[in-house]
Amino acid sequence: GAGVSQSPSNKVTEKGKDVELRCDPISGHTALYWYRQSLGQGLEFLIYFQGNSAPDKSGLPSDRFSAERTGGSVSTLTIQRTQQEDSAVYLCASSPRGSGDSYNEQFFGPGTRLTVL
Amino acid sequence: GENVEQHPSTLSVQEGDSAVIKCTYSDSASNYFPWYKQELGKRPQLIIDIRSNVGEKKDQRIAVTLNKTAKHFSLHITETQPEDSAVYFCAASEGGATNKLIFGTGTLLAVQP
Repeated sequence: GAGVSQSPSNKVTEKGKDVELRCDPISGHTALYWYRQSLGQGLEFLIYFQGNSAPDKSGLPSDRFSAERTGGSVSTLTIQRTQQEDSAVYLCASSPRGSGDSYNEQFFGPGTRLTVL
Repeated sequence: GENVEQHPSTLSVQEGDSAVIKCTYSDSASNYFPWYKQELGKRPQLIIDIRSNVGEKKDQRIAVTLNKTAKHFSLHITETQPEDSAVYFCAASEGGATNKLIFGTGTLLAVQP
């Protein structure tokens, strides 16, 4: 079946502009995660959704970052007034269930490469 | 919160040799430890995982060991092949309800033919 998809695959923007990154999880997966991967670094957790709720936003770097999820499916990560340090690959992952003692695999999307000039 | 350290950052081996990557974690409540392989420009792909009630798991040329007491886990790749060349990330699930993963900084494995 279809995996996690993300769009756009690449985004180049000017400093100070707003950007929106989209994630389409695997159908039926209730848990959705956003991670950020800077050049040569590991993956940094940003935010977790269970359904449409975000019980863990602890990884968002600043109030310029926000995310929402609608219909328990598509999620959008918005970065306002982008800065050069926001340049990174933004990865989305989904999982069948992410609460309690679930040990479910997270399936990653291809990522969006964001470049802020 | 959880902290995961991964070593080495780079590893070069000859084809056919074994490769070992080690990770330590800090949160004793962590209960799930996946390993991801990421080829250049591609998405991370799960290659093997282990749960806290198991000490070792093997899948063909890949094995993972977990020592809960010492809070460390390792990835072992035997009979390495050039197509094993990639960046490998370990991760630990942070204790609690989210199942979010805390990742190590990655190991660049180069298998020389």
